Amino acid sequence: SQQGEEDPQALSIQEGENATMNCSYKTSINNLQWYRQNSGRGLVHLILIRSNEREKHSGRLRVTLDTSKKSSSLLITASRAADTASYFCATDEAAAGNKLTFGGGTRVLVKP
Amino acid sequence: DAGVIQSPRHEVTEMGQEVTLRCKPISGHDYLFWYRQTMMRGLELLIYFNNNVPIDDSGMPEDRFSAKMPNASFSTLKIQPSEPRDSAVYFCASSRARTEAFFGQGTRLTVV
Repeated sequence: SQQGEEDPQALSIQEGENATMNCSYKTSINNLQWYRQNSGRGLVHLILIRSNEREKHSGRLRVTLDTSKKSSSLLITASRAADTASYFCATDEAAAGNKLTFGGGTRVLVKP
Repeated sequence: DAGVIQSPRHEVTEMGQEVTLRCKPISGHDYLFWYRQTMMRGLELLIYFNNNVPIDDSGMPEDRFSAKMPNASFSTLKIQPSEPRDSAVYFCASSRARTEAFFGQGTRLTVV
């Protein structure tokens, strides 16, 4: 079963616009991670936010975490065509010893 | 480090045949994960190991699936006998505790 669920399932934006996607999860976590997957490739880690953190930045990426609502968001600012990919959240479950489970992903299309 | 290495990259086999997928994790990583990705089910965690010991195999779909990690630098996922519904991309990933996972490029399995 999947721990995280992303919303929306798909997103289409113009280059230069911001893209926001959300992740909801069910159980207590040690950390939450975001990954990107280009078509036909493996997943690449983007950013990790720990359960005691509320916001984290990495370049054009901004991640928030609300443990009271069991939700996280990923914001990509000033999107580029190269950002076209699927984005997944993953949770490291607190009660399960580093068990890393993924949501269904958000497919992002950035149109030039 | 060359990253997580999976072999083969592609495998086409006939129903009923045994299939063995291989993974070499990143040196120094003590966690290893096997995932299966399909359009219908998304990215499913099949099994994960800590220090070569299986921790959670609740995601293994049936007794036809088995995984081993005989040492810190090698793991296998075996399907015997294979069925068409096993067709998917299988990913191996490794990590240190509570940190990001690094994924291999995956093995695309087609069972005909």
